[in-house]
Amino acid sequence: AQKVTQAQTEISVVEKEDVTLDCVYETRDTTYYLFWYKQPPSGELVFLIRRNSFDEQNEISGRYSWNFQKSTSSFNFTITASQVVDSAVYFCALSGSGYALNFGKGTSLLVTP
Amino acid sequence: DTGVSQNPRHKITKRGQNVTFRCDPISEHNRLYWYRQTLGQGPEFLTYFQNEAQLEKSRLLSDRFSAERPKGSFSTLEIQRTEQGDSAMYLCASSPVTVYGYTFGSGTRLTVV
Repeated sequence: AQKVTQAQTEISVVEKEDVTLDCVYETRDTTYYLFWYKQPPSGELVFLIRRNSFDEQNEISGRYSWNFQKSTSSFNFTITASQVVDSAVYFCALSGSGYALNFGKGTSLLVTP
Repeated sequence: DTGVSQNPRHKITKRGQNVTFRCDPISEHNRLYWYRQTLGQGPEFLTYFQNEAQLEKSRLLSDRFSAERPKGSFSTLEIQRTEQGDSAMYLCASSPVTVYGYTFGSGTRLTVV
C-alpha cells in the first residue's frame, strides 16, 4: 500500500519568512515518483516538481527548494522569503507501479503581509 | 493548446438525478485520469484511460459511476442517482505516455442538494 502523510494541516507565516512543508511517504515499490502540487483558492492543481526514486539530488527553483531523503522517506518542500502569493494548499503525492497519484491531505499555507 | 478543459465548472443537482461531466485533455496526451476531491482532503483517484481503454478503476468508483473515452479524446464521467455524499470537486488530468507527469484541469464542483 502507498501512503503520503502531511502532518502539518495549517501553517501561518509572515511575509519574507522561510517555511518548510513536510511530506513523509510509504511504499513498497522500488521505483516510484514523488510530486508536489500547489492548489490556490481558484482550485486548479499546479504542478511544481516531480522526482523519481533514483534521483536524490536536492533541487532549487527560484525561492522553492526540495529535499528528498530516501533514508527517512521524506520529500520536504521549502519556500524561501515567502510572499503573500504563496498562500495556497500544497499537496505532496506519490505514484508507484500504477499510474494513480496518491495524495496527502495537504498543508494550507497562509502568508500574511 | 489551452490545457485540460472541464465542463461545467459548477453543477448543482437534486438528489437522485443523473449528472454528466466532460473533460477535454491536452490534445497529444494519451492518458486521462479522473479524481475526486472533497473539502479538506487531497484528490482521490477514480479511474484512468489510455487512449479509449479504461485500464484502472478505484474501488471508490461505485456502480453508479461510469466513465467513457469513446475515441480516445474527450472523456465523460456520469453519476447516476446522485447522493449528497457525491458532492465534491471532480478533477480531470492528462499526461503523455512518455513523460510521467500530469496536467490537471480546473475541475467541476458538484453540489447535491
